[in-house]
Amino acid sequence: AQSVTQPDIHITVSEGASLELRCNYSYGATPYLFWYVQSPGQGLQLLLKYFSGDTLVQGIKGFEAEFKRSQSSFNLRKPSVHWSDAAEYFCAVGFTGGGNKLTFGTGTQLKVEL
Amino acid sequence: DTGVSQDPRHKITKRGQNVTFRCDPISEHNRLYWYRQTLGQGPEFLTYFQNEAQLEKSRLLSDRFSAERPKGSFSTLEIQRTEQGDSAMYLCASSSRNLTGAYEQYFGPGTRLTVT
Repeated sequence: AQSVTQPDIHITVSEGASLELRCNYSYGATPYLFWYVQSPGQGLQLLLKYFSGDTLVQGIKGFEAEFKRSQSSFNLRKPSVHWSDAAEYFCAVGFTGGGNKLTFGTGTQLKVEL
Repeated sequence: DTGVSQDPRHKITKRGQNVTFRCDPISEHNRLYWYRQTLGQGPEFLTYFQNEAQLEKSRLLSDRFSAERPKGSFSTLEIQRTEQGDSAMYLCASSSRNLTGAYEQYFGPGTRLTVT
């Protein structure tokens, strides 16, 4: 079965600093990869996705992620963090054979210091 | 289209009562998923529908849980004889196949269930 690891439970960055959130997955083939963001008490908003092709994908709100097959990673990056980016971020994997249901990591809580 | 909607947003119930949640997907989406999220965890898959057919159920979905999507549009998730361990956020997502053959899921705001 596939699994997702987000090794950082909490991350604190200063506003304007760069950000990288780590995500590693375990799956025998190339899965579909996603990053979602969740504000307190809210649902999940899709930030970006990777299905195939270019391994560097751009998303909303200035986020990007890079798929590295050799490292089974899909890290999320942003060059300059804004205070409004404070939220919880989830990495998820899915695959066609599994009905495209998603397996999520445990999330990374991002705090932004002004 | 305003996206995926869920009702109610919050539900407080006493142990042993039955509760039902509703999800209205994005209108052109043929797949609908239910997930459960407990505090400090990522969402966990419960079940999904393609049109009106329920194609998969997780082992997390005990026999106290039942989901329907009678006309392939909205879906309901019912929990019978609720237990305190059922307290969680219940999330609904909908999707349709994109050009690569994959499904990207869009989530609703969730229903927060508290069982007292």
